[in-house]
Amino acid sequence: EVQLVESGGGLVQPGRSLKLSCAASGFTFSDYNMAWVRQAPTKGLEWVASISYGGSNTHYGDSVKGRFTISRDNAKSTLYLQMDSLRSEDTATYYCARPYGGFAYWGQGTLVTVSS
Amino acid sequence: DVQMTQSPYNLAASPGESVSINCKASKSISKYLAWYQQKPGKANKLLIYDGSTLQSGIPSRFSGSGSGTDFTLTIRSLEPEDFGLYYCQQHNEYPWTFGGGTKLELK
Repeated sequence: EVQLVESGGGLVQPGRSLKLSCAASGFTFSDYNMAWVRQAPTKGLEWVASISYGGSNTHYGDSVKGRFTISRDNAKSTLYLQMDSLRSEDTATYYCARPYGGFAYWGQGTLVTVSS
Repeated sequence: DVQMTQSPYNLAASPGESVSINCKASKSISKYLAWYQQKPGKANKLLIYDGSTLQSGIPSRFSGSGSGTDFTLTIRSLEPEDFGLYYCQQHNEYPWTFGGGTKLELK
């Protein structure tokens, strides 16, 4: 059974950094591209970033480009999202997802709150 | 960026009825559209991808149609568990973008 479990969320002040993790199991992690998707409170879904299966290719949404970095450790079957220079508008639940013709698998999400 | 416009915003229906949700792209995305269901406390669920391909394990009462800029999700014979939020998403080009969502409520 495919499982994606996010961690690392919490309350952080504007301008500070936070690193999210997503532990994957139930499939060969190194065979699949991965992504982060977020959802601000009471708002819709927003794709944040994607990374290729080997880690060499990355893509970012305009709202996070230059501030967020997606990475992966295939030996640990773990996906990461390094979030720097956080803003109040980054407050959201962050989901780890596995894209393949759409996002076929999602985690339950981890909440990030950016507030002073 | 490709803008995705979903309609209606809200939809009220009764079990057993059929409903349709529409999604319009600001430019052609070929067939590359996905539909998702979101419910509180559950992982988001992929229903349809590539416009009309039913994801494994999804009941056949869900169907998708369309190509280019106009797409439709149809749910036949609504079951109680079908009520929730629905989103479309284009996976033709970066940045991948979602529609604003449709809330399907019990009438």
